[in-house]
Order: sequence, then C-alpha cells, then structure tokens
Amino acid sequence: NAGVMQNPRHLVRRRGQEARLRCSPMKGHSHVYWYRQLPEEGLKFMVYLQKENIIDESGMPKERFSAEFPKEGPSILRIQQVVRGDSAAYFCASSVDSNYNEQFFGPGTRLTVL
Amino acid sequence: EDQVTQSPEALRLQEGESSSLNCSYTVSGLRGLFWYRQDPGKGPEFLFTLYSAGEEKEKERLKATLTKKESFLHITAPKPEDSATYLCAAGLNAGNMLTFGGGTRLMVKP
Repeated sequence: NAGVMQNPRHLVRRRGQEARLRCSPMKGHSHVYWYRQLPEEGLKFMVYLQKENIIDESGMPKERFSAEFPKEGPSILRIQQVVRGDSAAYFCASSVDSNYNEQFFGPGTRLTVL
Repeated sequence: EDQVTQSPEALRLQEGESSSLNCSYTVSGLRGLFWYRQDPGKGPEFLFTLYSAGEEKEKERLKATLTKKESFLHITAPKPEDSATYLCAAGLNAGNMLTFGGGTRLMVKP
C-alpha cells in the first residue's frame, strides 16, 4: 500500500529558474492538496485539486505559481522564476473524498533557491 | 479570521513524565480537528480525527480529546521515540483545506 509519493525530495534552483514538484496521491484517492512550510513557520494551505479541476486556490500566490492534476499522471505544482523567498518544504496530501476529510501527507519536496 | 494556536511551543519531558499539549481554535465552523506527528525532514503523519465535543480517541500512549474551544493531546509515560513535533489542524465546514497551528516540539529525555 504505497502512500503519497512526492518527487524530487530535494530540489535546488537558481533565482529565475522554474521548479516543478510532483505528487502521486494514495491509491484510491482523487483529491490532492498542496501545502507550504516556510522555515520556522507552520504549514499553510496553497491549493486543492480534483482530477482536471482546481477547486480552491485561495492560498496560492497569484503570480508565478500554478498547479494541475491531469486525468492521467501526477499532480504538479509549478513555480516560475523562483526567488529566494520560495525556499521551503512543499507537502502534498491526498484524501478519498471531500466528506471523508482525513488528509494523508507525502514526505515533501525541499526547495532551495540559490 | 480562522485561527489555530498550539501551546506550549516546546516541551521537554523526562521519560515516563506524563503531560498534555494544547490546541485552541477559533473558527467559523469546525468539521473536524486533526492531530498529526511530524518528525524532522518528514511529512506529517496522521494520528487522530475528532468530530464533536466530548469525543476522545486513543493510540498507544496518546489520547486526544475535544471541547468546543480546544483539543488536548495527552501523552502518558512518554518514551524518547515519542519525541517529534505534534501538529493540530482544523478542518472547516467551508472549504477542504486544513488550518494548522504552529506545532508543539516535544523532546523526551531518557
């Protein structure tokens, strides 16, 4: 029973480059959530997706950040033109459905922007 | 504004010394209160969900309780392997995101 998978686990980018973070939900889960954990801060919600739909992106910065969850393949969080302030741990979580509500987290991707 | 606050920020215990972690919440409509454990460099690991005031859940040395304003995570006779950061989060009626508290970093000395 594989849990939530994220890759890469560590990602180093220079300022101005693009970062792509991938998340494969648990088997049977069709709801995906992305959270960000800045150094010395708590987890903050970014975006909630179902297959082919963004349901809630209220926590995601309006510029440079985008997310998708295609019909086939993993969910992707994309950060364009990264800046040092984007350095953080990005966690993906998944749930069976919105009513069930329990979210299970992946190991995270630690992004470092040089 | 929906808010979740955890206290203390850090807690040092001797092995076997029982204690409680607090999570207070001010939210517009609580669907569920969640507890997670997070080890350094890893993702949060799900522990409990509590849905209504008065509810209690137990797992090994941990017991979570819920009132209308706060939740407690009681740890009985802790061991060094219980050392971790414990996170609580509120799931709201509006929306599906979790609103997290800042966490309590627990250190249990042998």
